[in-house]
Amino acid sequence: NAGVTQTPKFQVLKTGQSMTLQCAQDMNHNSMYWYRQDPGMGLRLIYYSASEGTTDKGEVPNGYNVSRLNKREFSLRLESAAPSQTSVYFCASRSTGRIAREQFFGPGTRLTVL
Amino acid sequence: GQQLNQSPQSMFIQEGEDVSMNCTSSSIFNTWLWYKQDPGEGPVLLIALYKAGELTSNGRLTAQFGITRKDSFLNISASIPSDVGIYFCAALDSNYQLIWGAGTKLIIKP
Repeated sequence: NAGVTQTPKFQVLKTGQSMTLQCAQDMNHNSMYWYRQDPGMGLRLIYYSASEGTTDKGEVPNGYNVSRLNKREFSLRLESAAPSQTSVYFCASRSTGRIAREQFFGPGTRLTVL
Repeated sequence: GQQLNQSPQSMFIQEGEDVSMNCTSSSIFNTWLWYKQDPGEGPVLLIALYKAGELTSNGRLTAQFGITRKDSFLNISASIPSDVGIYFCAALDSNYQLIWGAGTKLIIKP
């Protein structure tokens, strides 16, 4: 099992460019999440998907869109990148069920917007 | 939004020393989690706490879920070089979303 995989690992964009961050999990988890991590701060939730076909906004959704393509894949799109979106982006997944409270994280995508 | 107050922000310790960090909140949570993040990696779960007052160990790590359900602490005994990294507390809200602390950066002096 690869767990949670993310592509790309690194990306540099110019202001106004668009790009899609990809995330996939092979653990048959229902819930998937996108976070951003900035220096000196904890992770902040951008969007999440509780199950295939549903998406919901998190704490900081502005400037992002998501697609839950199928149960395995959850992508994050920046339509017009801004320097404030320079950050490390983490995808996570979680099973559902009474004791399934742990989120498993991917290795992250380091994005710089110039 | 909700926040967890994690302290200290960073710690410089000698190898072999014990480490203690804590996390507090103004809200009640029913699940507290401690994660570790190594450089260039995503967070990895260390310990999960599900019951107020619970004390749980994972090797040299011990964590407690405060009796008021508004705090938690993590202790690391006899630190070793591979303990370096950033430690995050997190709490699960009623929507199964994680609320995160800002992290404690652990640095071990040679």
